[in-house]
Amino acid sequence: AQSVTQLDSQVPVFEEAPVELRCNYSSSVSVYLFWYVQYPNQGLQLLLKYLSGSTLVKGINGFEAEFNKSQTSFHLRKPSVHISDTAEYFCAVSTISGGYNKLIFGAGTRLAVHP
Amino acid sequence: EADIYQTPRYLVIGTGKKITLECSQTMGHDKMYWYQQDPGMELHLIHYSYGVNSTEKGDLSSESTVSRIRTEHFPLTLESARPSHTSQYLCASSETGAGIYEQYFGPGTRLTVT
Repeated sequence: AQSVTQLDSQVPVFEEAPVELRCNYSSSVSVYLFWYVQYPNQGLQLLLKYLSGSTLVKGINGFEAEFNKSQTSFHLRKPSVHISDTAEYFCAVSTISGGYNKLIFGAGTRLAVHP
Repeated sequence: EADIYQTPRYLVIGTGKKITLECSQTMGHDKMYWYQQDPGMELHLIHYSYGVNSTEKGDLSSESTVSRIRTEHFPLTLESARPSHTSQYLCASSETGAGIYEQYFGPGTRLTVT
């Protein structure tokens, strides 16, 4: 069965510093990977996705992620964070089973950006 | 921007009451989903639908039920609410087809059962 592990439950960082949110997955088949962001009292918004092709994926708000098949990782990075990046970030893996597009989420990483 | 709506956004209700959480999308998506999310925890799929008159249970067992009479509408019902149902409920939809498509999420309904 597929699973997603987000290695850090909380990441505090100062404004304008770089950040990396770590995500590892387990899967024996082709994987499709996503990062979502959830701002307080809101739903999830897609940051970026990896379906195939280049292993470096660029998303919205200056975020990027790198798919590493040998390490089964899909870490999210931003070179310089803003206060407004404070939110919960979820890594997810998707597969198709019986025609059903299923998303499995990690437990989330709370990014807290301090001035 | 995703056009998926959930009402109410917040609901506080007493034990034993029947409740319906509404979810609607205007994107014409055939596939719709309900997730349950406890504070600080991951999302768990509780129901999904491939289209009208199609509903299936998800990975997490839930006492709620769903219906899909119209493509754009996917309501979730609890016949008798209990404190254990207190959680956030998120609705999502995705495109039809054989490919992998991202899911678009609504803003969620935060349910508190007293």
